[in-house]
Amino acid sequence: SQQGEEDPQALSIQEGENATMNCSYKTSINNLQWYRQNSGRGLVHLILIRSNEREKHSGRLRVTLDTSKKSSSLLITASRAADTASYFCATSKETSGSRLTFGEGTQLTVNP
Amino acid sequence: NAGVTQTPKFRVLKTGQSMTLLCAQDMNHEYMYWYRQDPGMGLRLIHYSVGEGTTAKGEVPDGYNVSRLKKQNFLLGLESAAPSQTSVYFCASNELAGAIREQFFGPGTRLTVL
Repeated sequence: SQQGEEDPQALSIQEGENATMNCSYKTSINNLQWYRQNSGRGLVHLILIRSNEREKHSGRLRVTLDTSKKSSSLLITASRAADTASYFCATSKETSGSRLTFGEGTQLTVNP
Repeated sequence: NAGVTQTPKFRVLKTGQSMTLLCAQDMNHEYMYWYRQDPGMGLRLIHYSVGEGTTAKGEVPDGYNVSRLKKQNFLLGLESAAPSQTSVYFCASNELAGAIREQFFGPGTRLTVL
């Protein structure tokens, strides 16, 4: 069964707006990662947040993690048409090795 | 560096046929993974390997076998393909380290079983 569930399943915004995607998971984790997938391509890692961290930033990306609520959010600020893609959260329960359990993804469309 | 490559990119099989998907990485990574992705779903782990000569089952291993004879290669085999195995298959790898590392993904193999 999928560990992560993402919300919303699809999101359509205008260029320049912010996009927020949410991920919920069921069991305790060591870390949570966000990946991006352009249509017809493999996944590309965006950012990793560990269970003892609450927030991380990388460029226009901001990720939060609330382990008490078993949830995470990915915020993309000042979105661009090139941000159009599917975004997946993935959780790992392990402290070594890194088997990941993926959510079903959010399809983000940024309209120019 | 080519990163993670997959062969072939596309394949159509008839039910009962067999095939092998090849994944190669040139980053000297210890860990390698095979996932499948079905429409509207995230990735599900089929099998993985924590080093040369080792393999382990993931979430959905039935109907697949794997081998890791060389560190840089991870093969996924379908002995008798079924329509339920129609999917996009992704290989990934990451390095062995004390801290958790991101996974690097190949471009995928689109498999259709008729």
